[in-house]
Amino acid sequence: AQSVTQLDSHVSVSEGTPVLLRCNYSSSYSPSLFWYVQHPNKGLQLLLKYTSAATLVKGINGFEAEFKKSETSFHLTKPSAHMSDAAEYFCVLGGGSNYKLTFGKGTLLTVNP
Amino acid sequence: DTGVSQNPRHKITKRGQNVTFRCDPISEHNRLYWYRQTLGQGPEFLTYFQNEAQLEKSRLLSDRFSAERPKGSFSTLEIQRTEQGDSAMYLCASSSSGQGVTIYFGEGSWLTVV
Repeated sequence: AQSVTQLDSHVSVSEGTPVLLRCNYSSSYSPSLFWYVQHPNKGLQLLLKYTSAATLVKGINGFEAEFKKSETSFHLTKPSAHMSDAAEYFCVLGGGSNYKLTFGKGTLLTVNP
Repeated sequence: DTGVSQNPRHKITKRGQNVTFRCDPISEHNRLYWYRQTLGQGPEFLTYFQNEAQLEKSRLLSDRFSAERPKGSFSTLEIQRTEQGDSAMYLCASSSSGQGVTIYFGEGSWLTVV
């Protein structure tokens, strides 16, 4: 069975400090993993994706994530938070044929001035 | 703008009425998906099309829900006899086919059933 667990429902950081959003997954086959961001009343925007190439994946807006098979994790990081990063972040697992995505419940990131 | 387009963006309807949402995918994409998102939850998969063929529909929530993609381009999602529990955001997405392709989402259609 496929599943995604986002370990924190809410993360609050100060502007300029590092961001860490945690994600664990369970998959019976080689996974594709994604992070999407959703700003209020907006659709989902892809931040980055892992598809069995390099384990450290760089995305847009300074975000990156590292695929760790031994830990079944795909945590999202950013060295320095910006106010515009405040949004909901979803860790997403791709299906075997990639037609169905399994979403985590989301992590709300708050950035304080 | 060549992204995924959805309309209407917001719909308020009375319980028992039918509603239809339209999705125009990115033009070169042969796959089209529908997801539903309720407050505080991540999106959940409903159905998908490859070209005009609906290849997976087991996750459509009940027989009140149906989706079409008649010419392999735009798609419609219809909800008949709406119930208050249908209130949610309905997201459309599209992609090319293949492993690990990027799936692009529209901005969603909000449905409120009163």
